[in-house]
Amino acid sequence: GAVVSQHPSWVICKSGTSVKIECRSLDFQATTMFWYRQFPKQSLMLMATSNEGSKATYEQGVEKDKFLINHASLTLSTLTVTSAHPEDSSFYICSARVSQGGAGELFFGEGSRLTVL
Amino acid sequence: AQSVTQPDIHITVSEGASLELRCNYSYGATPYLFWYVQSPGQGLQLLLKYFSGDTLVQGIKGFEAEFKRSQSSFNLRKPSVHWSDAAEYFCAVTKVSGTYKYIFGTGTRLKVLA
Repeated sequence: GAVVSQHPSWVICKSGTSVKIECRSLDFQATTMFWYRQFPKQSLMLMATSNEGSKATYEQGVEKDKFLINHASLTLSTLTVTSAHPEDSSFYICSARVSQGGAGELFFGEGSRLTVL
Repeated sequence: AQSVTQPDIHITVSEGASLELRCNYSYGATPYLFWYVQSPGQGLQLLLKYFSGDTLVQGIKGFEAEFKRSQSSFNLRKPSVHWSDAAEYFCAVTKVSGTYKYIFGTGTRLKVLA
């Protein structure tokens, strides 16, 4: 199957700093990537849809200025958590669709665990 | 409203026993259905998917699922569970066309007893 890679897999930062998480599609081009947030023992919550070359589409309740998404190329999307606070600590997962036109299954990155001290 | 329900939060089975994980969906359009598995601290891996055609779909690791439109269900099954199957399982649905947003169920945590 298609490979989606996230980096870093875990990061610890101080409150008030910004953290960037990268999501790469290694063997396919992804015009659309999705960013999810997962709280412990809970399901995935869609944060935003990342569109190559255009602005991301955020879900209701997700702060655009807090979670900056950039999808500058067909293989890379980044999520930047700005001025991170302890409540931003979570497991962030990106995914990408393989096929265009049809639904296509999502392939997921390994996830990035953010801990804000 | 669009939703996916996994009624069982936790399921415990003995190794070698059969398994069925339930998934019900409420969706206004023709659905595409998926089952994903997540090991602790990992991303999600696709087990199987249903787009159209045969309502019984085979997946990886010996899993299968059956789409029943009349019951709005897409239950996951495995005849004989292995200890390595212990993980979190998520059912998901998306539309045949449109924005392709996926809606995930709340997950079922599977524990396997030796």
